[in-house]
Amino acid sequence: ETGVTQSPTHLIKTRGQQVTLRCSSQSGHNTVSWYQQALGQGPQFIFQYYREEENGRGNFPPRFSGLQFPNYSSELNVNALELDDSALYLCASSGSWASGTYEQYFGPGTRLTVT
Amino acid sequence: QQPVQSPQAVILREGEDAVINCSSSKALYSVHWYRQKHGEAPVFLMILLKGGEQKGHEKISASFNEKKQQSSLYLTASQLSYSGTYFCGTEHTDKLIFGTGTRLQVFP
Repeated sequence: ETGVTQSPTHLIKTRGQQVTLRCSSQSGHNTVSWYQQALGQGPQFIFQYYREEENGRGNFPPRFSGLQFPNYSSELNVNALELDDSALYLCASSGSWASGTYEQYFGPGTRLTVT
Repeated sequence: QQPVQSPQAVILREGEDAVINCSSSKALYSVHWYRQKHGEAPVFLMILLKGGEQKGHEKISASFNEKKQQSSLYLTASQLSYSGTYFCGTEHTDKLIFGTGTRLQVFP
């Protein structure tokens, strides 16, 4: 069983640029959730994808967008980067809540620095 | 509404016990517990479901009081490997909202 993987590990971008982060879900999981974790804080929910559709969104502006692919891997796109976007971005995969498999398994994260 | 955890930090000697609490202002359907070591991703510890079902794969126990909208994580006979930041996560419409975190340090 393969775990959750994310790429890239680290990224440095300039304010105003756009970034795409990638996540491969654990084998057998069809739900991917994205989180932003600032230093010293808990993960903040960005959005969740279930079977290629957005299934809920946290308090993040529209410049945060995502996709899920037929193989359940996912992308997080952030446009018009701001300095406050600097954080660790985590994705977590899980089975569907409807099926009763709720545990989320996190990837190692992507550390984004915006200068 | 972010769940509130207490205490914010705990310092233990190996072998000592600790309790971490998680309180929510909203009705709880399930509570998840995760541990995050510095520079690493959160690791799933346990989930407690409304109705009493529990799922976990570590030697850690927890309780879930639906009426009080609270959960507690019990760490007994702590080991050095227990050090890290513990987060509870409460379920709201299929999404997890993580708590404020409790930093646990275990010393020899």
